[in-house]
Amino acid sequence: AQTVTQSQPEMSVQEAETVTLSCTYDTSESDYYLFWYKQPPSRQMILVIRQEAYKQQNATENRFSVNFQKAAKSFSLKISDSQLGDAAMYFCAYRRAKAAGNKLTFGGGTRVLVKP
Amino acid sequence: ETGVTQSPTHLIKTRGQQVTLRCSSQSGHNTVSWYQQALGQGPQFIFQYYREEENGRGNFPPRFSGLQFPNYSSELNVNALELDDSALYLCASSLGPGMEETQYFGPGTRLLVL
Repeated sequence: AQTVTQSQPEMSVQEAETVTLSCTYDTSESDYYLFWYKQPPSRQMILVIRQEAYKQQNATENRFSVNFQKAAKSFSLKISDSQLGDAAMYFCAYRRAKAAGNKLTFGGGTRVLVKP
Repeated sequence: ETGVTQSPTHLIKTRGQQVTLRCSSQSGHNTVSWYQQALGQGPQFIFQYYREEENGRGNFPPRFSGLQFPNYSSELNVNALELDDSALYLCASSLGPGMEETQYFGPGTRLLVL
């Protein structure tokens, strides 16, 4: 079974600074997708960024970028120029590429605090 | 474009009762997935519906059941509620069950079982 581990329960960052969130996963599959979702206090899970395992290039979305290390099964998220609105729970998620019911497997989450 | 909506936002039930939660998928999406998120944890997959048929199920007992309607909206039913069923229930919709499809989440229903 696939598992996703986020080892940092909480991270604090100064506004305008950079923070990196860690995520490791365990799988025997070669084709899969990885995601970072943000969950603010409003509870709605918002997609931040997505990475296809077959792509070597790291995904980037504005201030958010990932460092995808397939051999190490590591998928970290970097938030640059942190803003107060970035404060939220961040979840790393995995999905197999070839499976019925393309379920997402989530990590336990990392709370990001942004200090003004 | 209308996003994923869920109702109700909050619900309080007592142990042994039954509950129905509702989800309207995003416009154009035909696949709905349900997740349970206990306090302080990541979401856990319950099941997925595609074109009114169950299309995958997580490790949840049969008292968790679902439906999907012709307009692709969906219901999650939980019978014989237990205290441990207290959680945030999230619904996510996607264009299809294929491997390319990203899931978009609704705001969730907070269920408290007393």
